[in-house]
Formats: sequence, structure tokens, C-alpha cells
Amino acid sequence: ETGVTQSPTHLIKTRGQQVTLRCSSQSGHNTVSWYQQALGQGPQFIFQYYREEENGRGNFPPRFSGLQFPNYSSELNVNALELDDSALYLCASSPTGTGSHEQYFGPGTRLTVT
Amino acid sequence: GDSVTQMEGPVTLSEEACLTINCTYTATGYPSLFWYVQYPGEGLQLLLKATKADDKGSNKGFEATYRKETTSFHLEKGSVQVSDSAVYFCAANNNAGNMLTFGGGTRLMVKP
Repeated sequence: ETGVTQSPTHLIKTRGQQVTLRCSSQSGHNTVSWYQQALGQGPQFIFQYYREEENGRGNFPPRFSGLQFPNYSSELNVNALELDDSALYLCASSPTGTGSHEQYFGPGTRLTVT
Repeated sequence: GDSVTQMEGPVTLSEEACLTINCTYTATGYPSLFWYVQYPGEGLQLLLKATKADDKGSNKGFEATYRKETTSFHLEKGSVQVSDSAVYFCAANNNAGNMLTFGGGTRLMVKP
């Protein structure tokens, strides 16, 4: 069983640029969530996608957007990058049909904005 | 909104010592509760969970009990190993089950 995978591993961008991060969910999982983890802090919920529709959003501005594809993989897009966007971006997938809603995390993409 | 508070670290212990990391939550309804562990340079791994009051989650010698009366979910281990050195996060999901709220994390360092 393949776990959650993310690409790229590391990324360096300049302020004002745009970035796309990618995530493949664990086999059998149809729900993908994205989190931002600043250095030394706990992850913060950005949004969740279920069956290609946004299914909840945290306190992040509209320049953070996402997509989910029919194979349940997902993208996180961030426009007009700011220095404070530097963080580890974590993708998590959830199994179908479970009531406890545990989420399984990928290794993350480390984004540095200069 | 929901919030999770956990003790600040770092927590430094000698091998075979007892561990307790405190976690309390505020939430509407009855969230499921989780402990995740993060090793250096890696993502989060689910350590254990509890879905209702008085449930005890356990894994790899770690355990935590869902205490509704004190809104707590403290992580415990009777004898820590050097390999347990990591950052531990307590988390609660919301009623819709689509969002995890995390505490700030507690770094554990175990010395031989």
C-alpha cells in the first residue's frame, strides 16, 4: 500500500511569484487536506477536498487555492507569495467510510520564499 | 473556535524514565482526539487516537485516555527510549470531521 506522497521536496521562490505543490493520496482515500506548518509550530488547516469539491477552509486568504482530480490527487496553489508563506506544507489523506476521520500525512514540501 | 493546548518543551528525559505530555482541548461537541509524532525532517505519523469519552488509545507503548470531564488527552509512556526523541502533537477534529486543530507541539529528547 502506497502512502501519501508529495512533490517537490523542497522549493525556493521569490516574493510575488506563484507556486504549485502536488500530493498523491494513499490508496483507497478520497479526501485530501492541506496544512501549513511554520517553523516550530503546529500545522494550520488550509482546506480540504472531497470528491473534487472544497469541503472546508481554514483562515487563509483566497490566494491559497486548490484542486482535486478524479484520481483523488490534489494541488495547492499559492499566488503572490509573501515571505511569511515560508513553511512546510503538509498534505493528508483520509480513508473512505471511517467515522474517526484520522488523517495520514505525507512528508511535506518545504517552501522558502526570499 | 476549537483550540488545543499542550505543554511546552523541550522535555528532556533519561532512557527508561516515565513520560507524560499534557494536552487539553476546547471544542464544541465531542471531537475525536489524536496524538501525532514528527521525526526530524519528516511529516506527521499518527501515533494513537480516541473517538469518545473514556476511550484509551495505545500504540508502541504510548497511551492516552480521552477525559471529557477535564477535556484532556495526556500522552504517557512508562519507559522511554532514545528512539522516541521527536516532536509530539496533540490534535482534535471538528464536528464535521474535516479539520484537525493541532497544539503547538512538544519536543521530547531522550538521553542514553
